[in-house]
Amino acid sequence: RKEVEQDPGPFNVPEGATVAFNCTYSNSASQSFFWYRQDCRKEPKLLMSVYSSGNEDGRFTAQLNRASQYISLLIRDSKLSDSATYLCVVNPADSGYALNFGKGTSLLVTP
Amino acid sequence: GAVVSQHPSWVICKSGTSVKIECRSLDFQATTMFWYRQFPKQSLMLMATSNEGSKATYEQGVEKDKFLINHASLTLSTLTVTSAHPEDSSFYICSADRPPGTGSSYNEQFFGPGTRLTVL
Repeated sequence: RKEVEQDPGPFNVPEGATVAFNCTYSNSASQSFFWYRQDCRKEPKLLMSVYSSGNEDGRFTAQLNRASQYISLLIRDSKLSDSATYLCVVNPADSGYALNFGKGTSLLVTP
Repeated sequence: GAVVSQHPSWVICKSGTSVKIECRSLDFQATTMFWYRQFPKQSLMLMATSNEGSKATYEQGVEKDKFLINHASLTLSTLTVTSAHPEDSSFYICSADRPPGTGSSYNEQFFGPGTRLTVL
């Protein structure tokens, strides 16, 4: 079983739509969680960290449910520039700071 | 945010040659750097953890004699793909671990822009 699982999509949504991505992780001892954004043929870039209490950054809201080992990302009022692949990333407690990446969820926002 | 550079950004080489990729942390010292590989439509896979002044730790299935890692200073790690073959063609990305205290109260990883390797 892969350590971090995501729905690969693609998600095709119109501008202004709200879209949600989900992710599950298998290591219950994992300590820190992130959403990264990766544009085509580019390196991943940190979008936001995910905290137990949930956190919001503008149009982006991240939630963590430790009991269910589930992470979510909500994007409101989608923009064309949000089109990218969104990577769910987990830092497992037993491997220091090496990150485990999901395969990513592809988002395409259309006019 | 912190800056990590990689060089070269892309390389095309013949089968059997060796290719060296450099990863530099430009504005902080990184005791630990990581090397990842990403094949098309796949997730980033950790290849090895590079520690300054000591031998790298390789993930299962990654040949240490094929992928040579040298972390000779706190700002530079190199990955050499020896005797490259077409199946080594991939996107290689490094990241550098910035310790707490420099702009953040916790460790953060910063990624280089990646190196696209094509082996003919």
